[in-house]
Formats: sequence, structure tokens, C-alpha cells
Amino acid sequence: DADVTQTPRNRITKTGKRIMLECSQTKGHDRMYWYRQDPGLGLRLIYYSFDVKDINKGEISDGYSVSRQAQAKFSLSLESAIPNQTALYFCATSDQPGQGRITDTQYFGPGTRLTVL
Amino acid sequence: RKEVEQDPGPFNVPEGATVAFNCTYSNSASQSFFWYRQDCRKEPKLLMSVYSSGNEDGRFTAQLNRASQYISLLIRDSKLSDSATYLCVTQGRGTSYGKLTFGQGTILTVHP
Repeated sequence: DADVTQTPRNRITKTGKRIMLECSQTKGHDRMYWYRQDPGLGLRLIYYSFDVKDINKGEISDGYSVSRQAQAKFSLSLESAIPNQTALYFCATSDQPGQGRITDTQYFGPGTRLTVL
Repeated sequence: RKEVEQDPGPFNVPEGATVAFNCTYSNSASQSFFWYRQDCRKEPKLLMSVYSSGNEDGRFTAQLNRASQYISLLIRDSKLSDSATYLCVTQGRGTSYGKLTFGQGTILTVHP
């Protein structure tokens, strides 16, 4: 089974609709992230959470909200979807920095392809 | 100006070729550096970390020049399976620790 899962994998919705993207992980990591990827722009950070009680805005948080329901779950919501939110959305996780470690690998889910008409 | 800039390519090379990708970053406070690989329509996966002393993993060699804020990736003896998008990534320090900043990616196609 995959360590980081995202649902749905594909979604088509209409302008103005509310939509939630869900992410679950079995890696036991404290840190979780939401990114969006657009052609030619790379991945951009939307929100991140370093533990259950911690939520932080990323580079492009406008129009999005998140909920960290548990260590293993981090959801991204679009309250009123608009066409320029059409993109590929990735969830990622990473562990806390460890003793002597200065870097931590981020593990990505398979992505959700969202189309807003 | 983007914080992490890469030549988007595409690079089209024959099997067995050596190919090099470059990346520059603008945030001098960046602490850690990586190359991620992303196959078409798939999630990014860590290829290798990049250290100031340079590091090698099989056919892949990464270099970091902090003074010039420049990162490189060299792939020797290219294989068809190396075809992918290569993402240059930096990581901040302090309150930005853990947050990754991605370049837009360099597309590599290796042909027979």
C-alpha cells in the first residue's frame, strides 16, 4: 500500500463549487504539505503543517483553506472554486529533523488532477 | 524573478550521452539543496541531496557552489529510463525550515 494517498485522483467541478481534497499518510510523519503544480511554474506551496496544532500559509494560500484532522490526515479545501485553480495538486509529508540531521526528504502522494470549468 | 531558476529544456540526447543541468537560486539563506525527479503525470521523488563538497550516486553527480548560488546535476551514460523532468529544489533555514522551493523543472528525453 502507498504511504501517502490522495483522494480523489481526478475531479472535474464547476465554478463556485466547494471541493475538498484529502490526504492520508501511514509514514508517521508530523509534517504535511499541500502544493499545486502548473505547467512552466513548478510546484508552489499552498499550506503546510508541522504538527496537528500548527497550520501555516505558503506561497499561494489565497482561495484555499486546510484542516489537519489528525497526524495522518491533512485536507485542502477550495471554498468557491474558480477556473485558475485548475492544476495538479500534491500532498507531501516529511519527518521532524533528527539529531545530527539537517535535511529531510519529502514524500509525495500521487496527486489530484483538478479541473474547474 | 523566480527564487529557483532552471533551463526548462527540453534536452534531447541519445543513449549513452552525458548531459548537465544547471540551476541558480536567489535566496542566500537557503540551507539545503536537492534534485528531485518527476516522471510524466507522477509525483516528484528525491533523486539526491546536494552537498558543498559535491556528491555522486552511480551515474549522477551533483555540485553546489554557494558563492555563486549555483547547483548542477550531471548524468553520465544516459539511459532511456532517465527520461523525466528534473526539479532543482532548495530548503530554507530557521522559520522556513522544512519548506521546499522548486524550480520549474528541466525536461530530459533520452532516445535510442
